[in-house]
Amino acid sequence: ELKVEQNPLFLSMQEGKNYTIYCNYSTTSDRLYWYRQDPGKSLESLFVLLSNGAVKQEGRLMASLDTKARLSTLHITAAVHDLSATYFCAVVYSGGSNYKLTFGKGTLLTVNP
Amino acid sequence: EADIYQTPRYLVIGTGKKITLECSQTMGHDKMYWYQQDPGMELHLIHYSYGVNSTEKGDLSSESTVSRIRTEHFPLTLESARPSHTSQYLCASSGQVGYGYTFGSGTRLTVV
Repeated sequence: ELKVEQNPLFLSMQEGKNYTIYCNYSTTSDRLYWYRQDPGKSLESLFVLLSNGAVKQEGRLMASLDTKARLSTLHITAAVHDLSATYFCAVVYSGGSNYKLTFGKGTLLTVNP
Repeated sequence: EADIYQTPRYLVIGTGKKITLECSQTMGHDKMYWYQQDPGMELHLIHYSYGVNSTEKGDLSSESTVSRIRTEHFPLTLESARPSHTSQYLCASSGQVGYGYTFGSGTRLTVV
């Protein structure tokens, strides 16, 4: 059974600081996704990482994937209040010719002035 | 514009009522999913479908049922709503492997 673990689950940081959210998964997979969810809203796709060593950047967020370590990181640079949200990583589980995503529990990020 | 739509956005209903949550997508995706999520909590997969006339139960046991008669439509039905069904229900779809899911805006259900 595929397990996806995120840490930390709660992160309170000051504006201007840097931090990293970690996503570990338990079985081989070469596809990992990051989503953002604002309170009371749905999930918005942030990054799609499809190969070992993949790195994607959008604004103050950068995501990377190390398939050998079964680890993805979401790095936040110089945080701003607008980044406050819950961030989920998700890993594909391949079952035959179809697939479904297994989500981590999410990291609630609060950026304080 | 291709998208995924959920209706209603909010629903307050009495115990024992039958309800159907609608989910439709215009992207021609063959795979569709229903997740249940309590506020601030993790997502739980309750149903999924890999194509017309194909439905499977997810990881979290649910009293709801689904159908997939058309590619674009994946409704979820609760025959008799209970307060324990109060939650947010998120519908998602995916097409080509590798592109992840596209989520609908969700239905927030409250059963009183």
